[in-house]
Amino acid sequence: EPEVTQTPSHQVTQMGQEVILRCVPISNHLYFYWYRQILGQKVEFLVSFYNNEISEKSEIFDDQFSVERPDGSNFTLKIRSTKLEDSAMYFCASRWQVNQPQHFGDGTRLSIL
Amino acid sequence: EDKVVQSPLSLVVHEGDTVTLNCSYEVTNFRSLLWYKQEKKAPTFLFMLTSSGIEKKSGRLSSILDKKELFSILNITATQTGDSAIYLCAVQYAGNNRKLIWGLGTSLAVNP
Repeated sequence: EPEVTQTPSHQVTQMGQEVILRCVPISNHLYFYWYRQILGQKVEFLVSFYNNEISEKSEIFDDQFSVERPDGSNFTLKIRSTKLEDSAMYFCASRWQVNQPQHFGDGTRLSIL
Repeated sequence: EDKVVQSPLSLVVHEGDTVTLNCSYEVTNFRSLLWYKQEKKAPTFLFMLTSSGIEKKSGRLSSILDKKELFSILNITATQTGDSAIYLCAVQYAGNNRKLIWGLGTSLAVNP
């Protein structure tokens, strides 16, 4: 069964550095998402992406964050100048059509030191 | 403020028991409610419920939505140790984006 893949599985970075989290959504899916989960807290929506542009973003998704779909397969989340509070599990999700569920990758655990 | 509340937060049962997990919500612009199972990593999709009163079933798991009382339940019958996981409830907003708002999850442990 096709799945969403995310790399790396764990990223350790010094505060202030930039990180890029990578995702390969399921190949025929059209809608893409990033969520994050801080340890012990709820999963939170960050951003949705459709037709090569951001369709919605949360208040968490400030100027520090950006997303890109540089080619037909990858979907990336960039965090500039990371802060300690960016430490979390970041999940990528994709879905095919409006009435279909979102399917999730295994996540990238980001640890900021 | 929109919210999704799950109960109980954790549950320990013995194999063969039946469990009921609860999810209530207060969400403007509701479209559907989804259940996911999270073991070690990715939340895996279980059910999507859009209409009230229609039970969805998959093996020993079933779920139903009550849009009048704003809640859903997930039932697992004849539990097995492999059912041990965190069960997440999420509400999907209407509109093309269909972003999800999540509950905290119910951590289920099934002991042999």
